[in-house]
Amino acid sequence: KQEVTQIPAALSVPEGENLVLNCSFTDSAIYNLQWFRQDPGKGLTSLLLIQSSQREQTSGRLNASLDKSSGRSTLYIAASQPGDSATYLCDQNSGGSNYKLTFGKGTLLTVNP
Amino acid sequence: DTAVSQTPKYLVTQMGNDKSIKCEQNLGHDTMYWYKQDSKKFLKIMFSYNNKELIINETVPNRFSPKSPDKAHLNLHINSLELGDSAVYFCASSLSFLGYTFGSGTRLTVV
Repeated sequence: KQEVTQIPAALSVPEGENLVLNCSFTDSAIYNLQWFRQDPGKGLTSLLLIQSSQREQTSGRLNASLDKSSGRSTLYIAASQPGDSATYLCDQNSGGSNYKLTFGKGTLLTVNP
Repeated sequence: DTAVSQTPKYLVTQMGNDKSIKCEQNLGHDTMYWYKQDSKKFLKIMFSYNNKELIINETVPNRFSPKSPDKAHLNLHINSLELGDSAVYFCASSLSFLGYTFGSGTRLTVV
């Protein structure tokens, strides 16, 4: 059974700090991994998608890495801002005939001004 | 311009009623999904359709029936609504295994 775990469940940091969110997955047959953010009462916004052949992806202040051998992905946020406050979710897609995503429970990030 | 649009955004209804949620995507994706996010914010897949064919049907009560009239639409019909059905329902789409795009959600409250 696929499982995705995100640590920590919640994180509060002062503005300007660099931070790392962690995601671990149990299914080694990973096709890609995607990071999303969800604002309160809103839908999911895709941040970064890493294919299994890639080791990292960058978008602005965000950098996501993928280590298939250890079953881990990290989302690095540089110079955090209050607008980064949201729940961050990672999901694993195992590909094959299995078109479903397995989500972690998310990390609730609060960036304090 | 919304890529994945769901209607309605909010739905409040009484127990025992039948309701539908509609989803449309204009991205040219071939796969569409319904996810349920419960009160603990955990996202769980319910159904997935690829080219109008059902490919994933998780352990969901048969009161829930998805319908995909074409590749751009995936509707969710729920019969005999129960209190436990209260949740946020998200529609999503993808092009095969490439990145997923989610709708903004439908908050269903059963009273």
